[in-house]
Amino acid sequence: DGGITQSPKYLFRKEGQNVTLSCEQNLNHDAMYWYRQDPGQGLRLIYYSQIVNDFQKGDIAEGYSVSREKKESFPLTVTSAQKNPTAFYLCASSPTGAREQYFGPGTRLTVT
Amino acid sequence: QKEVEQNSGPLSVPEGAIASLNCTYSDRGSQSFFWYRQYSGKSPELIMSIYSNGDKEDGRFTAQLNKASQYVSLLIRDSQPSDSATYLCAVIRGGSEKLVFGKGMKLTVNP
Repeated sequence: DGGITQSPKYLFRKEGQNVTLSCEQNLNHDAMYWYRQDPGQGLRLIYYSQIVNDFQKGDIAEGYSVSREKKESFPLTVTSAQKNPTAFYLCASSPTGAREQYFGPGTRLTVT
Repeated sequence: QKEVEQNSGPLSVPEGAIASLNCTYSDRGSQSFFWYRQYSGKSPELIMSIYSNGDKEDGRFTAQLNKASQYVSLLIRDSQPSDSATYLCAVIRGGSEKLVFGKGMKLTVNP
């Protein structure tokens, strides 16, 4: 089955710890994106990558880091520098030349 | 002024009625517009995209775009209880590949 997978579905961490969220796609999409969603809020762009080994900051990149070593994978690290990391994290991808973005199931991160 | 603004809602309609969801955007350079449906606790699902002025129909869904008024809407005909969800309007910023989302409008369809 083609699709976007994110793991784990729920993640709990203590304050001060870095945590890495996984995003994998087998759709052969070039572009991949990370968003966070807070209750009652729209999605906000953290980082995006349009090609392997290249990525750009979105609107709220502070406290986050990414890598894009393979076309299929775009992991997001939430560092201890992120002041309010508890949120619903969504990964998306987009086919080459298309504007539509398709989302994975998301990871709900809770930091206490 | 917010980049993408949706009515605060929530919106409640009876089963079989037409639900009308509205969205305005501030960037006149925006060219691509999307509607996503998000069920509670789930990720957004793309249901409509529209790129040119006018109406675009897909089954019970119609997206309407008016670039002069910077307005995009989604009509859901013959609303069903399964349409109950939050609907997110999203716009690609002019000159970029970045998608900007509104806060969403919660729709409840009552049987």
